[in-house]
Amino acid sequence: DAKTTQPTSMDCAEGRAANLPCNHSTISGNEYVYWYRQIHSQGPQYIIHGLKNNETNEMASLIITEDRKSSTLILPHATLRDTAVYYCIVRTYNNDMRFGAGTRLTVKP
Amino acid sequence: DVKVTQSSRYLVKRTGEKVFLECVQDMDHENMFWYRQDPGLGLRLIYFSYDVKMKEKGDIPEGYSVSREKKERFSLILESASTNQTSMYLCASDGMNTEAFFGQGTRLTVV
Repeated sequence: DAKTTQPTSMDCAEGRAANLPCNHSTISGNEYVYWYRQIHSQGPQYIIHGLKNNETNEMASLIITEDRKSSTLILPHATLRDTAVYYCIVRTYNNDMRFGAGTRLTVKP
Repeated sequence: DVKVTQSSRYLVKRTGEKVFLECVQDMDHENMFWYRQDPGLGLRLIYFSYDVKMKEKGDIPEGYSVSREKKERFSLILESASTNQTSMYLCASDGMNTEAFFGQGTRLTVV
């Protein structure tokens, strides 16, 4: 059973914020939310992760709801180079890491 | 500069051959993973190892085995390669509360 649910695809205008949602209603208390992206045929690239609190780094922000059943990845100013498949994963350390289908984000000029 | 290195970028093997795909990480990570990626099917977990000599099956272990004799090396073995194992194979590693790092991938063609 998939632990996360993401929309299949999304579009975003260049320069605008891209908000990618993820549902993880069965998340357990010690599971983190991780986001990765994969550009074309390259290996996935880490973006951000969090447990309860919202997180921000140089690439993105992660907003986790108070009940932790969903989260949103925010790319504040999307560029064409952000076109990729974005994966939301929930897991604990020392546990397997399974990728679902992800969200294909297309940033348009 | 952290690295996960896969032994080959491209590999062509014959049906029935025993194939070894090697993955080495230099970050002292406990966890290592093998995936295959096919068009339309995304990344599928083959095997996972959380410690030396420890392994767990992923979603598609049939036709594959793994070996982790040393912490830094995780090998994927195709006991008898078949054409349906033609794919892109990706190795990854991570540690406690760290991000995962991926290798550059091995594109295996079985003819």
